[in-house]
Amino acid sequence: GQQLNQSPQSMFIQEGEDVSMNCTSSSIFNTWLWYKQDPGEGPVLLIALYKAGELTSNGRLTAQFGITRKDSFLNISASIPSDVGIYFCAPDNYGQNFVFGPGTRLSVLP
Amino acid sequence: ETGVTQSPTHLIKTRGQQVTLRCSSQSGHNTVSWYQQALGQGPQFIFQYYREEENGRGNFPPRFSGLQFPNYSSELNVNALELDDSALYLCASSLDRTGSPLHFGNGTRLTVT
Repeated sequence: GQQLNQSPQSMFIQEGEDVSMNCTSSSIFNTWLWYKQDPGEGPVLLIALYKAGELTSNGRLTAQFGITRKDSFLNISASIPSDVGIYFCAPDNYGQNFVFGPGTRLSVLP
Repeated sequence: ETGVTQSPTHLIKTRGQQVTLRCSSQSGHNTVSWYQQALGQGPQFIFQYYREEENGRGNFPPRFSGLQFPNYSSELNVNALELDDSALYLCASSLDRTGSPLHFGNGTRLTVT
């Protein structure tokens, strides 16, 4: 079956620092989504990518769809305390089903 | 615009019992997907419903079943509960079944004792 890996598994950063995380797969996908999940809540969509090589920004967040269609990265600039949470990548092939990675747990130190 | 709502928020059941979880999809969405999220893991796909029919299923046994109603709300039923069924069950709706982003509810926390 397909394998989806996210790195790092967890990270501790100082407020104001930039963050970079990525997601790699053994399979090719046509869509990459990034979600953030806060404790006790469902995942919230951050960014959607639909084309290989696409670079998309949403405020302080930037994500890219890898040219091989097997990976994606998410960057967060100038981190703030509310960035704390678990970040999931979730690729898909035309609605077959979105597969979620194991997540990157982000902690922001004041 | 009303988001995805799930009920109940928490539930405690005994091994062997049956449970029904409910989900109201976001306005305008006709597709509902259910995910199981064990503690410390990412959500795992259970199945998806499109216009009242199952449109894909993950690696879950038949005792996990579902329904979608004409108003696109949905139910997840689990029979013969096992301890390992303890998890957060997430419902997500989407505009259609062709890869539109999922919009999640806050889940139902099921504990099986």
